[in-house]
Amino acid sequence: SQTIHQWPATLVQPVGSPLSLECTVEGTSNPNLYWYRQAAGRGLQLLFYSVGIGQISSEVPQNLSASRPQDRQFILSSKKLLLSDSGFYLCAWSPDSNQPQHFGDGTRLSIL
Amino acid sequence: GQQLNQSPQSMFIQEGEDVSMNCTSSSIFNTWLWYKQDPGEGPVLLIALYKAGELTSNGRLTAQFGITRKDSFLNISASIPSDVGIYFCAGQLGDAGGTSYGKLTFGQGTILTVHP
Repeated sequence: SQTIHQWPATLVQPVGSPLSLECTVEGTSNPNLYWYRQAAGRGLQLLFYSVGIGQISSEVPQNLSASRPQDRQFILSSKKLLLSDSGFYLCAWSPDSNQPQHFGDGTRLSIL
Repeated sequence: GQQLNQSPQSMFIQEGEDVSMNCTSSSIFNTWLWYKQDPGEGPVLLIALYKAGELTSNGRLTAQFGITRKDSFLNISASIPSDVGIYFCAGQLGDAGGTSYGKLTFGQGTILTVHP
């Protein structure tokens, strides 16, 4: 069966520090991958999506970037974190563009 | 971007009561999805609907894909305390939408509280 892993579960970072959140999927190949941010437990905002290795599309302009160095690995990064980057970050995958997405357990990011 | 209109925003009910929530959209979707999110966790898929008019059940949950393809509802029968959480609807165009890449459009969620 397929599983999705996100880490770390929680992260506290100072303003201006770099960020790297990792997401991996097991048990499937060539999945669609997605990064979301959720503020205050409501409303999921799509940040990035990828339909293949090295293919990244951004949905909103922001301080973050994404990369897909391997088929089942999706990384969310920042060179310098802002206070406004705080939130709950969720990774999701789907087998293809016609199937539902399945979410990881998320990373709670707090910026001090 | 586009958002779905999900209602109600919150519900406070007694254990054993039935619950109904719905989502409407100004545009059509090819797939409707319902997710539940517990505090501090990612959303979990409850029901997926692929065909206009489709009525699907998953235990005490029943969801329907509206005939117009612009709406969906979720019913929970005989609620129990573990039903507490946030319920999200989501619409998906899929490949038929051209370059949608399986992206989901989410409702703002319904917060469900169940009193024992």
